Amino acid sequence: SQQGEEDPQALSIQEGENATMNCSYKTSINNLQWYRQNSGRGLVHLILIRSNEREKHSGRLRVTLDTSKKSSSLLITASRAADTASYFCATDEKRLIQGAQKLVFGQGTRLTINP
Amino acid sequence: EAQVTQNPRYLITVTGKKLTVTCSQNMNHEYMSWYRQDPGLGLRQIYYSMNVEVTDKGDVPEGYKVSRKEKRNFPLILESPSPNQTSLYFCASSLRTGVLYEQYFGPGTRLTVT
Repeated sequence: SQQGEEDPQALSIQEGENATMNCSYKTSINNLQWYRQNSGRGLVHLILIRSNEREKHSGRLRVTLDTSKKSSSLLITASRAADTASYFCATDEKRLIQGAQKLVFGQGTRLTINP
Repeated sequence: EAQVTQNPRYLITVTGKKLTVTCSQNMNHEYMSWYRQDPGLGLRQIYYSMNVEVTDKGDVPEGYKVSRKEKRNFPLILESPSPNQTSLYFCASSLRTGVLYEQYFGPGTRLTVT
């Protein structure tokens, strides 16, 4: 099953510009997480936003969550070449086993920062 | 250093030859999970474990086995690999079972089955 879907699939901007990526999901969630993946490497957790939160900041990252629209956005301000990576949203999905955790990942947005 | 390690990082094998990909974490995490990543399909969960001796199937468990005899280790076993299991595999762990914990990922194992 696929919960989160990122948009756009690919984004290319100039260094210093802001990058915005969106994630839509289908069912109710407890939290939404964003991860970054440099080419061929493991995912790195960026930020977690709970369903009762609307906005969260971490350094140059800003995440918003709109549960009525079932969508989230990730904003990277003042982008740098090192931000070039794929970005994934992940949402939890309730499972039959109480407390079991399942993160469902979208297919990601490929972000390229041009010097 | 807190980390999730996987071995091997790269593996080329032939159809039917049993293999094991090891995963180990040094953070005393309860929850561990295996994913595979394929172009156009994103990350899909293979198996997960909520604690020692507690494992369950994810979305794509066919052709895989796991075990959790110790808290730190969660090996992925392919009893009879097939070419459709060629993929990039990731092990991940989190402190607790539950939806409020971030997952820590290993560096990945690129498997090719010919």
